Amino acid sequence: DARVTQTPRHKVTEMGQEVTMRCQPILGHNTVFWYRQTMMQGLELLAYFRNRAPLDDSGMPKDRFSAEMPDATLATLKIQPSEPRDSAVYFCASGTRQPNNYGYTFGSGTRLTVV
Amino acid sequence: EDQVTQSPEALRLQEGESSSLNCSYTVSGLRGLFWYRQDPGKGPEFLFTLYSAGEEKEKERLKATLTKKESFLHITAPKPEDSATYLCAVQAQGYSTLTFGKGTMLLVSP
Repeated sequence: DARVTQTPRHKVTEMGQEVTMRCQPILGHNTVFWYRQTMMQGLELLAYFRNRAPLDDSGMPKDRFSAEMPDATLATLKIQPSEPRDSAVYFCASGTRQPNNYGYTFGSGTRLTVV
Repeated sequence: EDQVTQSPEALRLQEGESSSLNCSYTVSGLRGLFWYRQDPGKGPEFLFTLYSAGEEKEKERLKATLTKKESFLHITAPKPEDSATYLCAVQAQGYSTLTFGKGTMLLVSP
C-alpha cells in the first residue's frame, strides 16, 4: 500500500530550539496538507500546498512556523523558536486535488513535546 | 465559518450492542462529508465520502448516512476491533481542505 511517510515519529526538544518535521507524500499526489492535533482543539489545518505552491497557511502562527515543499517528494514544517504550547501531534496528508471517493491519506504523525 | 460537532465525545459498548455516532455540520455549500477512523498512535484512516442528502455507504459493520444538517455512523453488532476514534470532516464547495470535528472515542468491550 502507498503511504505518507513522516519523520521523526517522536521529538522532544527544549523551549527555544528549532524543530523540523518532514513528510514524503504519496507519489503522484499533488496536494499536501499539514494538520496539528491536540486533545483540546482536535485536528486543525496549518497549511496546504498544490503542485508545491503554498495555497493557504492562515492556520499557522507566521512568526514562528514555516512550511515549504522543496520538491514533489518532500514537505517540511519548521518551528523556530519552539514553545511548550506547540506540543501536539503534527500530521501530513496528501491526495489529488479533490479527495472524492478516496479521501486524503494521512501519515502516522510526528509527536512533538516541547519542555 | 465551517463547523463540525460530533457526539457523543465517548461511547462505550458491549460487543454486539449496536449504536450510532452523530456528526452535525454547518458549511457554506457541502461538497463532501468524510468519515475517518483513527487508532491510537496512528493517523486518520479514510472510511467513507458522502456527497448528498439521502446517500448511504456501508463497509462491514459500518454504515454512514447523510442529511442536510448531519451525518450518522451506524455500527451494527460491533466487535472489540472496532474500538477507535471516529472523525467526521466536511469539505466546502470550491475548497480542497477538510474541517474536522473533535471525534467520538468508541470502546467496544468483549
